Amino acid sequence: QVQLQESGPGLVKPSQTLSLTCTVSGASISSGDHYWSWIRQPPGKGLEWIAYIYKTGSTYYSPSLQSRVTISLDTSKNLFSLKLSSVTAADTAVYYCARRLSSSSDAFDIWGQGTMVTVSS
Amino acid sequence: SVLTQPPSASGTPGQRVTISCSGSNSNIGNNIVNWYQQLPGTAPKLLIYGKNQRPSGIPDRFSGSKSGTSASLAISGLQYEDEADYFCAAWDDSLSGPVFGGGTRLTVL
Repeated sequence: QVQLQESGPGLVKPSQTLSLTCTVSGASISSGDHYWSWIRQPPGKGLEWIAYIYKTGSTYYSPSLQSRVTISLDTSKNLFSLKLSSVTAADTAVYYCARRLSSSSDAFDIWGQGTMVTVSS
Repeated sequence: SVLTQPPSASGTPGQRVTISCSGSNSNIGNNIVNWYQQLPGTAPKLLIYGKNQRPSGIPDRFSGSKSGTSASLAISGLQYEDEADYFCAAWDDSLSGPVFGGGTRLTVL
């Protein structure tokens, strides 16, 4: 079955860049009709969509984060990545990678277990 | 959050409970609503998508509905294992991306 696994530092200093990777197993990120996504959840709060990337490399960003976010694919390693620059304490959250079901559905059907990232000096 | 949910809900085993989700014409009013269940300490899990479809393994005790700019998740035959946070989500035409509700914590008494 398809599985997603996030990895990256759990602590990032303010003003630095947060970098996370999502390794996909059980499916190729360069095939199928799926969007590969990042979503975050601040402690005790709701979910916030950050970005998608399609197998073609087309990217889609949340308007509120667009100026600081980059999402990319590495098809040779079957993974996708997130970079969030100029982080502040407000970026402290559990970061999830997830698969969007298809072009015709914006449901997220498979999620990684999540990785907690704390922004602190 | 763009979508509004009550922060909490509760019920007793066997009961039917509903969780509401309110939005606007740019999201719920014009698009499909998806629902997610998040058990304590775990990632969200897709519960309802499309036109009241359930992924494999999700019991038919869970159902979704929509009217205008509001949606509801209904859980019948409530069980202790249903105690979790529930989130609604929908595509937002103005933001060109998905938006979520703040979540409703369901307690089974």
